[in-house]
Amino acid sequence: ELKVEQNPLFLSMQEGKNYTIYCNYSTTSDRLYWYRQDPGKSLESLFVLLSNGAVKQEGRLMASLDTKARLSTLHITAAVHDLSATYFCAAEKYGGATNKLIFGTGTLLAVQP
Amino acid sequence: NAGVTQTPKFQVLKTGQSMTLQCAQDMNHNSMYWYRQDPGMGLRLIYYSASEGTTDKGEVPNGYNVSRLNKREFSLRLESAAPSQTSVYFCASSDFSGLTGYEQYFGPGTRLTVT
Repeated sequence: ELKVEQNPLFLSMQEGKNYTIYCNYSTTSDRLYWYRQDPGKSLESLFVLLSNGAVKQEGRLMASLDTKARLSTLHITAAVHDLSATYFCAAEKYGGATNKLIFGTGTLLAVQP
Repeated sequence: NAGVTQTPKFQVLKTGQSMTLQCAQDMNHNSMYWYRQDPGMGLRLIYYSASEGTTDKGEVPNGYNVSRLNKREFSLRLESAAPSQTSVYFCASSDFSGLTGYEQYFGPGTRLTVT
């Protein structure tokens, strides 16, 4: 059964610092997705990683995927307050009539001035 | 282009009452999904529909039923609400693309409280 774990669950960091969120998954999956959720809002897609070695960057966020290690990382460079949100990773589960996404429990990021 | 819409945004029910959550998408996607989000548990899949006319159980289907009314609409029904169903419910849709895989697009959510 595919399980997805994120760590840390909560991250308090200062503006200007760098940090990494880790997403581990338990069984084979070739595609990994990152979403952002602001308080009281819906989920917004950040990155889609479609194969081993994929790297995507948008502003201060960079995501990568290592399917052999079953690990994806979301790296934050020089954090700013606007990045405060909950970040979810989701691994793709094969089988059935359509593939499904299995979500991690999320990482609540709080960037302090 | 509204994307995925959900109604209602908020709802309070008494234990034993029934209600239907509505979801519609205008992206011509084949697949639609219902999730619930509870603190500390991420999103859990309740039911999904791979295409018009088909539905399948997800991880936590007990206490729920769904209807894929047409390609655009996918509703979630609580027949006899229980306090354990207090949650935020999200609808999502997707289609496979070589560029985006099975990326899902989410609606704004429905906050349901069962007393």
